[in-house]
Amino acid sequence: DQQVKQNSPSLSVQEGRISILNCDYTNSMFDYFLWYKKYPAEGPTFLISISSIKDKNEDGRFTVFLNKSAKHLSLHIVPSQPGDSAVYFCAASAYNNDMRFGAGTRLTVKP
Amino acid sequence: DAGVIQSPRHEVTEMGQEVTLRCKPISGHNSLFWYRQTMMRGLELLIYFNNNVPIDDSGMPEDRFSAKMPNASFSTLKIQPSEPRDSAVYFCASRNRTGVSYGYTFGSGTRLTVV
Repeated sequence: DQQVKQNSPSLSVQEGRISILNCDYTNSMFDYFLWYKKYPAEGPTFLISISSIKDKNEDGRFTVFLNKSAKHLSLHIVPSQPGDSAVYFCAASAYNNDMRFGAGTRLTVKP
Repeated sequence: DAGVIQSPRHEVTEMGQEVTLRCKPISGHNSLFWYRQTMMRGLELLIYFNNNVPIDDSGMPEDRFSAKMPNASFSTLKIQPSEPRDSAVYFCASRNRTGVSYGYTFGSGTRLTVV
């Protein structure tokens, strides 16, 4: 039962352009959402998060948008840099319990 | 802080053998999670513990999988007998279960290959 879905397995963008990674969820009880970044041979690392009481959270080049009515969130990276090339996982949790992850999107930023 | 420590980093074993993966969480963290990463399903939650007590093991795929947390600083995930379809990267993560869910700290993972 995939409660968190990332339907794009891969994304390729040019350096300096915007990267938009999408995520959908089915569980309306989720109240906290996170994005993780994973490089090869390393564990995922926390990137940015958003509470369900907000619709936008920004941290430098990274912005997460939440649309609760559509059960959709997205991660925007502007401008994209080659070092951003990694697998990005969307995650969600309900009432501070365990986190559920999507399948991940592999982002490639071309110089 | 050394972070979450997993061992071994790589494990190659023959089908039917017992495999034990190990995890040392960050000191002071009171929740521990085991995840499995596959191409098809991404990061799947297998089991998690709060204060060393298993809370939800519904993600454990079969009875061949078992996990223990005998104390706050150590956990194991055991597969007996192992099968080729168990080949994946297994991650352990920990967090301090207070306040808002700011997320977990993951270990570097154990890449398991069952031949």
